[in-house]
Amino acid sequence: DTEVTQTPKHLVMGMTNKKSLKCEQHMGHRAMYWYKQKAKKPPELMFVYSYEKLSINESVPSRFSPECPNSSLLNLHLHALQPEDSALYLCASSQRTSAYEQYFGPGTRLTVT
Amino acid sequence: GENVEQHPSTLSVQEGDSAVIKCTYSDSASNYFPWYKQELGKRPQLIIDIRSNVGEKKDQRIAVTLNKTAKHFSLHITETQPEDSAVYFCAARPFGNEKLTFGTGTRLTIIP
Repeated sequence: DTEVTQTPKHLVMGMTNKKSLKCEQHMGHRAMYWYKQKAKKPPELMFVYSYEKLSINESVPSRFSPECPNSSLLNLHLHALQPEDSALYLCASSQRTSAYEQYFGPGTRLTVT
Repeated sequence: GENVEQHPSTLSVQEGDSAVIKCTYSDSASNYFPWYKQELGKRPQLIIDIRSNVGEKKDQRIAVTLNKTAKHFSLHITETQPEDSAVYFCAARPFGNEKLTFGTGTRLTIIP
């Protein structure tokens, strides 16, 4: 299995809802990443996990809460989001944070109403 | 931190012609330079990368060149085909840094 998978593909949520995004990889990678991508913009790094420990938080608001329950799974818990948080949320993985190649999942298209 | 500039923002070329996209970076410690292709509604896909110990790398119709002195690198696509139409992002990562910094993207359109 050489893919990063993400669920759901699409998500619509209200500002008072709580939801979670899920990312999974079975390539034995020990580094996983969350990115946010707005239309016509490059991916913007949010969080980096290395060996299931959070190593980078790019000053992301606390309404985004990441979790890495094991080496294959990465979650992003969402609470009290704002309409401007609507975006494509991409997960990526690499062998290690020091490894070069990052492979992206298909993303979750999030709309906050 | 690292800053990556990418030009042009849009590029249209006739099918069969070549396309060149250029990026400059600011951090002399950067040693890894990937290029991603993103089709509409799809994930960014790594198409080629280069490390600072080489000046050029080629994979079929795609090549990347790196000039460390000038801190710039370029993507070259030859014999372009309609399926090359996409947004292309360059990126750079300094040695020992976990963060990949992306350029602003180039929308490439191949005209049949």
